[in-house]
Amino acid sequence: DAKTTQPNSMESNEEEPVHLPCNHSTISGTDYIHWYRQLPSQGPEYVIHGLTSNVNNRMASLAIAEDRKSSTLILHRATLRDAAVYYCILRDVNRHAGNMLTFGGGTRLMVKP
Amino acid sequence: EAGVAQSPRYKIIEKRQSVAFWCNPISGHATLYWYQQILGQGPKLLIQFQNNGVVDDSQLPKDRFSAERLKGVDSTLKIQPAKLEDSAVYLCASSSMARGATGANVLTFGAGSRLTVL
Repeated sequence: DAKTTQPNSMESNEEEPVHLPCNHSTISGTDYIHWYRQLPSQGPEYVIHGLTSNVNNRMASLAIAEDRKSSTLILHRATLRDAAVYYCILRDVNRHAGNMLTFGGGTRLMVKP
Repeated sequence: EAGVAQSPRYKIIEKRQSVAFWCNPISGHATLYWYQQILGQGPKLLIQFQNNGVVDDSQLPKDRFSAERLKGVDSTLKIQPAKLEDSAVYLCASSSMARGATGANVLTFGAGSRLTVL
């Protein structure tokens, strides 16, 4: 799977929007962009995914650049419970050897009250 | 729906001892994964099952790690003998996506089993 690059850490103030960037310059046309987050002492949890168009759900929004070489996870109003490590992961939908997700180091988001 | 269950949550052993972790995936999920997460790093896949067959175990240290999913539901991961560098959280995840299927693959993770090897 193509590689992603994320900042190691970011800080945000509570109740403000947060934009978490992810670069994936070697993305292929069949790569889905997944975001997971991992709260302290828990397993990762699914946040959102997309292919080409921007996506919204209860938890967040995903903005995908027109050339797909980068994406941004948007938390509209950060809360203290959003403090976690956020992982941006690419998965090739045509990959037949398996369908696992390969995690990088992620971005540690700290939320200040 | 019930989540992915893992046990034990914590285990402390001495090096060269053995340990086993158990995972019960979400009902109906055909695909099961074991990941190893060392402190400060992202999870790394150890093995992937579809039903009771192994899809990918290329990163499993087979000289000491073994895993099985005999009836295509529960799974166990065993380490024997353990080394200091095996100290990590062992995460089990499951998904409904079959091997080779297209589309997004959403994994549901358990809380993990934290292993400390002394």
